[in-house]
Amino acid sequence: DAGVIQSPRHEVTEMGQEVTLRCKPISGHDYLFWYRQTMMRGLELLIYFNNNVPIDDSGMPEDRFSAKMPNASFSTLKIQPSEPRDSAVYFCASRRNSKGNYGYTFGSGTRLTVV
Amino acid sequence: TQLLEQSPQFLSIQEGENLTVYCNSSSVFSSLQWYRQEPGEGPVLLVTVVTGGEVKKLKRLTFQFGDARKDSSLHITAAQPGDTGLYLCAVAGGTSYGKLTFGQGTILTVHP
Repeated sequence: DAGVIQSPRHEVTEMGQEVTLRCKPISGHDYLFWYRQTMMRGLELLIYFNNNVPIDDSGMPEDRFSAKMPNASFSTLKIQPSEPRDSAVYFCASRRNSKGNYGYTFGSGTRLTVV
Repeated sequence: TQLLEQSPQFLSIQEGENLTVYCNSSSVFSSLQWYRQEPGEGPVLLVTVVTGGEVKKLKRLTFQFGDARKDSSLHITAAQPGDTGLYLCAVAGGTSYGKLTFGQGTILTVHP
């Protein structure tokens, strides 16, 4: 099992540019989550999908952020235009639809720096 | 106000010492999880506790869920440098099934 795969690992971009983060969840996992981690705010849930359908996007900061899951094996998180305050580590996680056991498997994250 | 309050925020100890970190809330939860995160990596699930008063052991780590299911503790015996990392507690709750909310975490550093 390759685990949750995120790309790129690091991204440095200039303010105003579009950024696309990618995630491949574990095969067979029905749920996919996007989190953002900063020192100040810790781990914050941005959006999550169940069976490729967005369920809760209340954590998405603003319209500059969008996420898609076109199929069960791929998801993207896009920021357009990017701003310096978007600098953070973005994690993707997935889990199986298992009642009572909410254990997530996280990817290694994408460290985004917007200058 | 944080749903989960973790303490202490930072802990720096010598190899061989024992330590306890705490996760507290005023809310009742059906289950609670502990994760460890190493630098440059994502959090890794350590344990899930579901029953009030439950105690689970994972080698030198002992996890306890409070009787009222509002709090939890993680005790590490004879800490080793490999235990260094960020320890996070997390709970599922709210109206979104399976959505996890994390505490701010405890950063543990174990010096050789």
